[in-house]
Amino acid sequence: AQKVTQAQTEISVVEKEDVTLDCVYETRDTTYYLFWYKQPPSGELVFLIRRNSFDEQNEISGRYSWNFQKSTSSFNFTITASQVVDSAVYFCALSDDSTTSGTYKYIFGTGTRLKVLA
Amino acid sequence: NAGVTQTPKFQVLKTGQSMTLQCAQDMNHEYMSWYRQDPGMGLRLIHYSVGAGITDQGEVPNGYNVSRSTTEDFPLRLLSAAPSQTSVYFCATRGETQYFGPGTRLLVL
Repeated sequence: AQKVTQAQTEISVVEKEDVTLDCVYETRDTTYYLFWYKQPPSGELVFLIRRNSFDEQNEISGRYSWNFQKSTSSFNFTITASQVVDSAVYFCALSDDSTTSGTYKYIFGTGTRLKVLA
Repeated sequence: NAGVTQTPKFQVLKTGQSMTLQCAQDMNHEYMSWYRQDPGMGLRLIHYSVGAGITDQGEVPNGYNVSRSTTEDFPLRLLSAAPSQTSVYFCATRGETQYFGPGTRLLVL
């Protein structure tokens, strides 16, 4: 069965600190996709990144970076030099390859609430 | 290009009342879905559709009905609302990733 675990319920950091949000997943599929979404206090869900299972290259986008390690089934998200505007709930999600499975499974973790203090 | 729109933004119902949450998209995506978000539980899939005329159940379908008569619209119906259905509801479409609507906050008294 597919599962996404975000063990950190809430994290508080002081502005300019670096912070890493953990995501551990379980799947038996060989082809799958991993995602991160941000949910700011306003409530909308903002797409951050999509990564397929065959691409283990780390990715950096400004202050955001992602570390994908298949060996440990982890897809961790790091914010460098955090800012107050980064305060939000962050969700990790796992999807199968619907083009082959046809099942369209899309599993979310329970989210990590990040509070960045000024 | 509005993306995914949802109406209403907020609704209060009494137990036993019925209502329809509306969802529309202008991205011409075949796949649409409904999620509910509850504290500490992330998002859970209610129903989904892979195209007009085709719907299927997700993880938590009980108490909800859907239909898909057009590519653009995917309404979610609560036939007899219960307090356990108090939640935030998100509609989504799927291209390379899922695009979410702004959400509907529902309170059932």
